[in-house]
Amino acid sequence: ETGVTQTPRHLVMGMTNKKSLKCEQHLGHNAMYWYKQSAKKPLELMFVYSLEERVENNSVPSRFSPECPNSSHLFLHLHTLQPEDSALYLCASSQGQGVLQYFGPGTRLTVL
Amino acid sequence: RKEVEQDPGPFNVPEGATVAFNCTYSNSASQSFFWYRQDCRKEPKLLMSVYSSGNEDGRFTAQLNRASQYISLLIRDSKLSDSATYLCVVNPVFANFNKFYFGSGTKLNVKP
Repeated sequence: ETGVTQTPRHLVMGMTNKKSLKCEQHLGHNAMYWYKQSAKKPLELMFVYSLEERVENNSVPSRFSPECPNSSHLFLHLHTLQPEDSALYLCASSQGQGVLQYFGPGTRLTVL
Repeated sequence: RKEVEQDPGPFNVPEGATVAFNCTYSNSASQSFFWYRQDCRKEPKLLMSVYSSGNEDGRFTAQLNRASQYISLLIRDSKLSDSATYLCVVNPVFANFNKFYFGSGTKLNVKP
């Protein structure tokens, strides 16, 4: 399935690095999401963009910076991360209210 | 109190068994409910929506109990391929985007 794609699939970075995660959806949806999934914890919603405007910022540290240049693309810019930020970062998209979210395959991030 | 709570399991069952999971939610105004399936190191994928009248899809039956604020998933005639983590998802209110709350997941191991 190629509805929602994410790159890179795996990323290892040091605490002083700057990197970006990319998400692209090919479903014509109007909302995109970033989630964090740590081991044995539920998915944590980080950011929501609806019609390219950020509508939710779930108390995420400023070392995570999202960007949504258009309705099909979503980025998560990373800088000076901590080892506890190591997790699976999932992008999702949806269209409308009370409907499904479709997930990308995720980026598995390791911070050394 | 967590928005969504699930028994983490694991549930270890033999092939052909019937197994059921429950999930409780705290917001009585919740509007829509879903079960997602997540395979190891993969993204969550929709298994089925949960309707007020209950719904069935092959070997899977989902039910909603609004009075007691829980949803359930019943799997009949378990297959080895059913082994996965099952995520309960609740959408509390309608908005111009979907704010999903995810449970931590219930792990199912189906053994030969």
